[in-house]
Amino acid sequence: GIQVEQSPPDLILQEGANSTLRCNFSDSVNNLQWFHQNPWGQLINLFYIPSGTKQNGRLSATTVATERYSLLYISSSQTTDSGVYFCAVEKYTGNQFYFGTGTSLTVIP
Amino acid sequence: EAGVTQFPSHSVIEKGQTVTLRCDPISGHDNLYWYRRVMGKEIKFLLHFVKESKQDESGMPNNRFLAERTGGTYSTLKVQPAELEDSGVYFCASSSFRGGFSTDTQYFGPGTRLTVL
Repeated sequence: GIQVEQSPPDLILQEGANSTLRCNFSDSVNNLQWFHQNPWGQLINLFYIPSGTKQNGRLSATTVATERYSLLYISSSQTTDSGVYFCAVEKYTGNQFYFGTGTSLTVIP
Repeated sequence: EAGVTQFPSHSVIEKGQTVTLRCDPISGHDNLYWYRRVMGKEIKFLLHFVKESKQDESGMPNNRFLAERTGGTYSTLKVQPAELEDSGVYFCASSSFRGGFSTDTQYFGPGTRLTVL
């Protein structure tokens, strides 16, 4: 399978601060997604981003497929951003996702 | 259009009991996947259905777990008998991918939190 590593494993931020989460993966992939698992355990799809850059409000993501990494940027963090952020990759469309171990983010007021 | 739904949202059972989780995929999606996150670890793949057939069940941990998808619509995942280490969140996902070049991705349900006491 594909190894997916995320860093940092834990992050504590003051409200309003910015952060960068990183995802490294061990093989070429067709699909990469970022998810946010909220405190209720639900997985929220943030970005479908196998390559390039996307932005959605305060969040943006960049994937450099040739170098096998992706970055998730969170700007002006809010307490509602707290939770675990997962990166997941799919080698071939239709196959299983391989998830990273996640970054646990806590935003304090 | 309704997303992937899962039932129940939370289940608390005692060790040795049986629990059945249900997943309703997005209408028309042939592919259905089960994943789980246990003990605060990473989310791991369990199995993949294409319609009613098991395409890949390499992630199923042992024979206490039985997944079915009769008729190719909703799926159930039965754990019998449940053990303490089965506690975690079970996710279902579906996709419409049918081969070839595609950007179809998997859409995840809200998960079922299983607690085994």
